[in-house]
Amino acid sequence: DAGVIQSPRHEVTEMGQEVTLRCKPISGHNSLFWYRQTMMRGLELLIYFNNNVPIDDSGMPEDRFSAKMPNASFSTLKIQPSEPRDSAVYFCASSWGAGELFFGEGSRLTVL
Amino acid sequence: QKEVEQNSGPLSVPEGAIASLNCTYSDRGSQSFFWYRQYSGKSPELIMSIYSNGDKEDGRFTAQLNKASQYVSLLIRDSQPSDSATYLCAANFGNEKLTFGTGTRLTIIP
Repeated sequence: DAGVIQSPRHEVTEMGQEVTLRCKPISGHNSLFWYRQTMMRGLELLIYFNNNVPIDDSGMPEDRFSAKMPNASFSTLKIQPSEPRDSAVYFCASSWGAGELFFGEGSRLTVL
Repeated sequence: QKEVEQNSGPLSVPEGAIASLNCTYSDRGSQSFFWYRQYSGKSPELIMSIYSNGDKEDGRFTAQLNKASQYVSLLIRDSQPSDSATYLCAANFGNEKLTFGTGTRLTIIP
């Protein structure tokens, strides 16, 4: 298996622009997680899905953030409008239930 | 709020010595605990999981869990320069999601 695939790997954008991050989980996994990592706050869970259904979005910072999982093989995290404080590495991860979490390589976002 | 706490370090250990990493968690009902290693610029990868009180050994790594004290640790024996990384402790608070500590940066000095 190719593992969790994220795109883009790097994104540089200007404040106010829309950003869309994409994730393909490992085939057969039924849970998908979006994390954000910064030096100050570490690895924070933004939202997770189970069987394509959002279960807990309490970590989503504000209404500017939204996430979707239209099918078992694809998820997006959208930020609109983006702000400089959104600059971070965004990780997608997947698992089978409460098993081992496999991370993608991350999307490094810089908002100028 | 359910939390996982770690000393951020940095922790410096001579090559060949034992590195000891510690973690505490806030929810006494937590059942599952994990140690992830993250190299600079890379994604976290699982190195150990532990579910019951006591020690669990895997090669040079030993995880220790004490649920009464809400404490989990990771020992790395015969530390190697390749062990230099950030180590993340994580706990499962009763559902699929993991809550991570902020990580401890470990440097092995040749």
